[in-house]
Amino acid sequence: DAKTTQPNSMESNEEEPVHLPCNHSTISGTDYIHWYRQLPSQGPEYVIHGLTSNVNNRMASLAIAEDRKSSTLILHRATLRDAAVYYCILRRSGGSNYKLTFGKGTLLTVNP
Amino acid sequence: GAVVSQHPSWVICKSGTSVKIECRSLDFQATTMFWYRQFPKQSLMLMATSNEGSKATYEQGVEKDKFLINHASLTLSTLTVTSAHPEDSSFYICSASLGLTSTDTQYFGPGTRLTVL
Repeated sequence: DAKTTQPNSMESNEEEPVHLPCNHSTISGTDYIHWYRQLPSQGPEYVIHGLTSNVNNRMASLAIAEDRKSSTLILHRATLRDAAVYYCILRRSGGSNYKLTFGKGTLLTVNP
Repeated sequence: GAVVSQHPSWVICKSGTSVKIECRSLDFQATTMFWYRQFPKQSLMLMATSNEGSKATYEQGVEKDKFLINHASLTLSTLTVTSAHPEDSSFYICSASLGLTSTDTQYFGPGTRLTVL
């Protein structure tokens, strides 16, 4: 399976935008890029996913590089409630790829 | 959005006893439910995948006789930790999915913290 690489931690200030990077240089053409986040002492929650085009939803935006070897999760205005571990996960179409394989993720700290 | 609940949210038990954790999808019928375990400061590890009415599929290294999974309906899956020992102390999290494609979202429960004394 293609792997992802994320920084261990990032820091942001409240109400400022946050750009969380993810490298996936071995991504295949059928791999979807998913982002989940886990708030302290809670189960993960879905954030966003995409294949080739940039995606927006009420939580965040996902910017995907043209060569798809990297992507960036964008939180437009960070709040204290966005402090969490953010996981970038690749899921390939077909087979047993309904599973989510969690890496170490990026721990986002939001300063007031 | 889809809601998944877990019960209990935390449990403390004595070594050698069994503990049952329930996972319910409250407002949708889940084709598949998943059970994860998370040790402190570590990431989630998938333990098993369960489909309603069939036997669970366990990940390599997970003892199926120790971690019994029952998926009796499209809204309920249970994980029983049998003869629990202190090394089984962990954060157990379930998730539910509407389907099995690479775009189907997994909805996670809030987790159950198990402490075995």
